[in-house]
Amino acid sequence: DQQVKQNSPSLSVQEGRISILNCDYTNSMFDYFLWYKKYPAEGPTFLISISSIKDKNEDGRFTVFLNKSAKHLSLHIVPSQPGDSAVYFCAATPPGENQGGKLIFGQGTELSVKP
Amino acid sequence: KAGVTQTPRYLIKTRGQQVTLSCSPISGHRSVSWYQQTPGQGLQFLFEYFSETQRNKGNFPGRFSGRQFSNSRSEMNVSTLELGDSALYLCASSLNLDPPRGYTFGSGTRLTIV
Repeated sequence: DQQVKQNSPSLSVQEGRISILNCDYTNSMFDYFLWYKKYPAEGPTFLISISSIKDKNEDGRFTVFLNKSAKHLSLHIVPSQPGDSAVYFCAATPPGENQGGKLIFGQGTELSVKP
Repeated sequence: KAGVTQTPRYLIKTRGQQVTLSCSPISGHRSVSWYQQTPGQGLQFLFEYFSETQRNKGNFPGRFSGRQFSNSRSEMNVSTLELGDSALYLCASSLNLDPPRGYTFGSGTRLTIV
């Protein structure tokens, strides 16, 4: 039961252009959605999050959009830089009192930014 | 400030053995979560500890267990190792239920079962 899905395993973008990473979810009760970036041999690094009551959150070059009716979120990176090349995971926090520390992750999308 | 530290970084074990992995959270963080990352299943939640108590548990067999000490350091143990336990094991720490700022992950322990 894959509650958070990233349907694109990879994405290639030219430096300076926009990168759009997509994520779909099935549980409308998720509280927060988060994006993480992961380099090989390192742990995931937190990028940006959005509450389920918002539809947009922006932090520098990174913007996350949430479309609750479509159960879809996306991460926009503008402009893309070669250092952004990594695997990007979206994650969601399940509702409920006893869900501390638990994130439900998508399978990840490998972004490659070409110079 | 120091990040989340996991030891060892790499480990090779044989089937049937047991293993203990260690995680030292960021100073002041009291919540420690553990995740397993495999190519087939992605990142999956194992369990979470807060103030030495397990607050949440994922869908893993009882061979996977953990504990947390009074200084918030945590260990996870896997007994009777199977080939399918080969994975990257990650721990993450946070002050408490703090999803807006995310959880801080360590670099992981790469466990290989032969």
